[in-house]
Amino acid sequence: EPEVTQTPSHQVTQMGQEVILRCVPISNHLYFYWYRQILGQKVEFLVSFYNNEISEKSEIFDDQFSVERPDGSNFTLKIRSTKLEDSAMYFCASSPGQFYGYTFGSGTRLTVV
Amino acid sequence: GENVEQHPSTLSVQEGDSAVIKCTYSDSASNYFPWYKQELGKGPQLIIDIRSNVGEKKDQRIAVTLNKTAKHFSLHITETQPEDSAVYFCAALKTSYDKVIFGPGTSLSVIP
Repeated sequence: EPEVTQTPSHQVTQMGQEVILRCVPISNHLYFYWYRQILGQKVEFLVSFYNNEISEKSEIFDDQFSVERPDGSNFTLKIRSTKLEDSAMYFCASSPGQFYGYTFGSGTRLTVV
Repeated sequence: GENVEQHPSTLSVQEGDSAVIKCTYSDSASNYFPWYKQELGKGPQLIIDIRSNVGEKKDQRIAVTLNKTAKHFSLHITETQPEDSAVYFCAALKTSYDKVIFGPGTSLSVIP
């Protein structure tokens, strides 16, 4: 069964450093998403991406965040200057279209120290 | 924006019993309602979904019901097994948006 692949599984970074979280969505999917989950809390929407541009973003997704689909297969989330409160699980998801279920990756645990 | 509420937050059942998780949503324009299961250390996994043009959908031991008038929908798991233990998230989506808004989750424990 096709999978969404995320790397790395765990990233530790110092506050103020830049991090890039990587995702390989399912190849024929058209919609891509990033969500985050702070430990013990619900899954929060960050950003959706379609047709090579951001289609929607949440209040969490401020100027420190950016997304890119550099080569038609990878989908990345960059945090320019990490803060302690950015520590969370970050999930990438993809979907073949609207009103279809998302396939989530296994997540990247980001720890900012 | 859409607000999804879910209860109970935790649920313990004996193996073989049924489990019911309920969600309410605020935006009457929402028309797609998926349910996700999240096991420890893994990403959410879609287990069943329902669209607003039907009132009930069943897949083996799992069923979802939708009441659009009352703006609530429920997940029913029958003959629960220990491997059903996980956190379950409901979600809602509407035409004008392309993102899923998750509920706060229900931690289900099935006691052998």
